[in-house]
Amino acid sequence: HSVLTQPPSVSAAPGQRVTISCSGSSSNIGSRYVSWYQQVPGTAPKLLIYENNRRPSGIPDRFSGSKSGTSATLGITGLQTGDEADYYCGAWDNSLRVGVFGGGTKLTVL
Amino acid sequence: EVRFLESGGGLVQPGGSLTLSCEASGFTFSNYGMSWVRQVPGKGLDWVSSIGIGGDTYYADSVRGRFAIFRDKSKDTLLLQMNSLRAEDMALYYCANGGLGGSGLDVWGRGTAVTVSS
Repeated sequence: HSVLTQPPSVSAAPGQRVTISCSGSSSNIGSRYVSWYQQVPGTAPKLLIYENNRRPSGIPDRFSGSKSGTSATLGITGLQTGDEADYYCGAWDNSLRVGVFGGGTKLTVL
Repeated sequence: EVRFLESGGGLVQPGGSLTLSCEASGFTFSNYGMSWVRQVPGKGLDWVSSIGIGGDTYYADSVRGRFAIFRDKSKDTLLLQMNSLRAEDMALYYCANGGLGGSGLDVWGRGTAVTVSS
């Protein structure tokens, strides 16, 4: 099982807003930056959010990130069918001294 | 444009060795940490190893002592030497610039597949 915990799946209708949670501990999310990745099946992951809430250039502001304590959240507004993908959170774990990912969340846009 | 070209994957017997390469272009390679992440088809992302700007290295427990990450700055190439390969190492291996401890894994390659089977 993964060090970071994500819901296996979420779904929402086009145009709606969805959030994906990522739960960790004081040794990872609680003390380090969180990043988020989008992976469309058959393609490589793409960085969506880094340093908890910053977007790389080219990522629309429909995507947002936040962190509180030992949990982080990815928000997506104005859902589009093209947003259907797997989403992963990632962080460094200070105690284990390793990188860790969540198990991934499959987003379905109904 | 930042790009990575991974190579070196293939079929290897259990206990065998492979060296993966990731040729970088479009940025100053020596100024960035680099990472390897693997993924079994249909499964999630699995961090494997990272190397910092100063050459500091980090490994997942599952590969420590068997895998070695290093970089050839003269060729802007990241390498992953994999020894004593096991069936559970079979996956698609991605390289990416950056690290999970910093500003995330910025740009990813397309991956190179490793199959471990007799």
